[in-house]
Amino acid sequence: GENVEQHPSTLSVQEGDSAVIKCTYSDSASNYFPWYKQELGKGPQLIIDIRSNVGEKKDQRIAVTLNKTAKHFSLHITETQPEDSAVYFCAASNLYNFNKFYFGSGTKLNVKP
Amino acid sequence: NAGVTQTPKFRVLKTGQSMTLLCAQDMNHEYMYWYRQDPGMGLRLIHYSVGEGTTAKGEVPDGYNVSRLKKQNFLLGLESAAPSQTSVYFCASSYAQYEQYFGPGTRLTVT
Repeated sequence: GENVEQHPSTLSVQEGDSAVIKCTYSDSASNYFPWYKQELGKGPQLIIDIRSNVGEKKDQRIAVTLNKTAKHFSLHITETQPEDSAVYFCAASNLYNFNKFYFGSGTKLNVKP
Repeated sequence: NAGVTQTPKFRVLKTGQSMTLLCAQDMNHEYMYWYRQDPGMGLRLIHYSVGEGTTAKGEVPDGYNVSRLKKQNFLLGLESAAPSQTSVYFCASSYAQYEQYFGPGTRLTVT
């Protein structure tokens, strides 16, 4: 099956700095890559996603890049704010075999004011 | 809209006891999922459903059963709880094969 690895496991940045979280996947058939934010005591919430036919997607301060050849994708958060502090999960999925939804192990982001 | 709700929020079971977790969604989504979340392991898919009356196994189905008798509800059952099933359980739903909406979770402890 798919193997999704996520790094780093913890990340601490100063408010206003950028944060980058990276994920790699193993199954070349994966074609959908969402990112979720999980705040303490809550369920994960989708913040951005990208499909394999696109190399980059941006939504205000967050962006995701995908390198299909290297099988890795990254989450970029610019101008970080204390409310960005949370655990972030990447995932890889095959939309034609949609039950195969594999999550990374998570990155705990701490934004220091 | 309430979105995805889960009942109960917390539960403590003794080994061998049984229980049912209830997930309800009011978004008219076809697809529903049950995940478990363990420290350092992300989320793992237990079972899923592609519509009313259907269920299928995910990555870690052993020890669990599910039912989807109504489109809006997805039940997860533990027939004989084991300490290895101590975890946080999340339900999710989606309209299509992406953008899953998650519930707030159920924290289960099996002693």
